[in-house]
Amino acid sequence: DIVMTQSPDSLAVSLGERATINCKSSQSVLYSSNNKNYLAWYQQKPGQPPKLLIYWASTRESGVPDRFSGSGSGTDFTLTISSLQAEDVAVYYCQQYYTTLYTFGQGTKLEIK
Amino acid sequence: EVQLVESGGGLVQPGGSLRLSCAASGFTFSSYSMNWVRQAPGKGLEWLSYIKSSGTIIYYADSVRGRFTISRDNAKNSLYLQMSSLRAEDTAVYYCAREGDSGSYASAWGQGTLVTVSS
Repeated sequence: DIVMTQSPDSLAVSLGERATINCKSSQSVLYSSNNKNYLAWYQQKPGQPPKLLIYWASTRESGVPDRFSGSGSGTDFTLTISSLQAEDVAVYYCQQYYTTLYTFGQGTKLEIK
Repeated sequence: EVQLVESGGGLVQPGGSLRLSCAASGFTFSSYSMNWVRQAPGKGLEWLSYIKSSGTIIYYADSVRGRFTISRDNAKNSLYLQMSSLRAEDTAVYYCAREGDSGSYASAWGQGTLVTVSS
């Protein structure tokens, strides 16, 4: 199974500042035949189901604010929130869908400093 | 609007069985693969099972293989998860999730149904 490891486990950032969450996979999730990274990011607020933010490592889901961006390739990925807003307080998860066992990272809790 | 509504959760004794349902609307259910994902109280997300749009391909996580069975009825726009030999560690909120238009990421999620395994 591909193991997804996020860092840090928790993060406190001031309003308007940049937040960066990292995700590392135990093996590459880049499919060479189409040059796509099979990596998604989700946001989960308390009491709510997860919400898709980013897929193919860097494609923003429709309706997601452009302050959210994804980058990386192969085994190392990053979710960046360029200017943190109060409504961005949540737990963020990465997930690989490269193999049929679609593993998630352990989550990163983002709070306001 | 895409809607997924889970039902069937509740309290069950260890060793017991339960069947979860997920009613889909707002999209052509028979065209999309579906997944079950769970979240234990205060814990992270755990992917459990996948079923292809046609129902012909199915995958399970090691933690539930042999105990849980995923199925679907495209005529009823419904997804199911039959759970047996339940354990305390199966206590969680269970979500159904639809794949995206271009890949197997989960683009839509239900609100979840809580399963509690306890005597």
